[in-house]
Amino acid sequence: GENVEQHPSTLSVQEGDSAVIKCTYSDSASNYFPWYKQELGKRPQLIIDIRSNVGEKKDQRIAVTLNKTAKHFSLHITETQPEDSAVYFCAAKGGGNKLTFGTGTQLKVEL
Amino acid sequence: NAGVTQTPKFQVLKTGQSMTLQCAQDMNHEYMSWYRQDPGMGLRLIHYSVGAGITDQGEVPNGYNVSRSTTEDFPLRLLSAAPSQTSVYFCASSNREHGEQYFGPGTRLTVT
Repeated sequence: GENVEQHPSTLSVQEGDSAVIKCTYSDSASNYFPWYKQELGKRPQLIIDIRSNVGEKKDQRIAVTLNKTAKHFSLHITETQPEDSAVYFCAAKGGGNKLTFGTGTQLKVEL
Repeated sequence: NAGVTQTPKFQVLKTGQSMTLQCAQDMNHEYMSWYRQDPGMGLRLIHYSVGAGITDQGEVPNGYNVSRSTTEDFPLRLLSAAPSQTSVYFCASSNREHGEQYFGPGTRLTVT
C-alpha cells in the first residue's frame, strides 16, 4: 500500500518568513495530493490540493509543488502569520479512494 | 447543509464494552471513510465505503466493523473495546469527482 513520509515534524518560523513542509510517497499510481490544516481541537480542513497532471498550484500565500518523478510534493506558505500556526498534514490518494496521510507537521509562527 | 455530523462527541467505555459511533452526511457523497487520529501518527484509515452496500478495509481495520445501508449514514462499530482503541475518530465524506474529504467534528473515545 501507499506510504507517505512527512518532514519536519515541528517547524518554528518568525512571522513574515516562509515555511516549507515536504512529503514523499511510495505508490507511483497515486494521483491526488491534498494538504490539510488542523487547529487544536478542530477537524482537519483542506487548504490546497494538486493532481498528478499539474506541477504547481498556488492560492494566495499557499502553494504546492509536485515532482512525480521523484515522488515528492511540498507545501509552501509565504508571509506567515500567527493564524497559520497549526498542524499540517499531507496525503496521497491512489486507487480505491484510499487517502494515506503523513504524520503531520506542527507549525508555530512566532511574533 | 449540516455537512458531516458525528455522535457522540465524547465517550468513555470500559474494556469489553461495545458501542457504535454514528456518522451522517447530507451532501449526497458516495465516498465515506473512518479515520482514527493518535498523537504523532497522523490520520489512519480504518474502513471506507465507495457507495451504499459497499465497504472495504483500510490500514487499521481490526476491532472495527462498518456497514453502509444508505448513502447518508456510515456507522462504525466497536464490538469489544480495548484500551488501544482510545483515540479521536473522524468520519469523512467525499465527492468522487473532486476527491476533497470533508471531515466531521470527531469523537473522542477513551477506553479504560
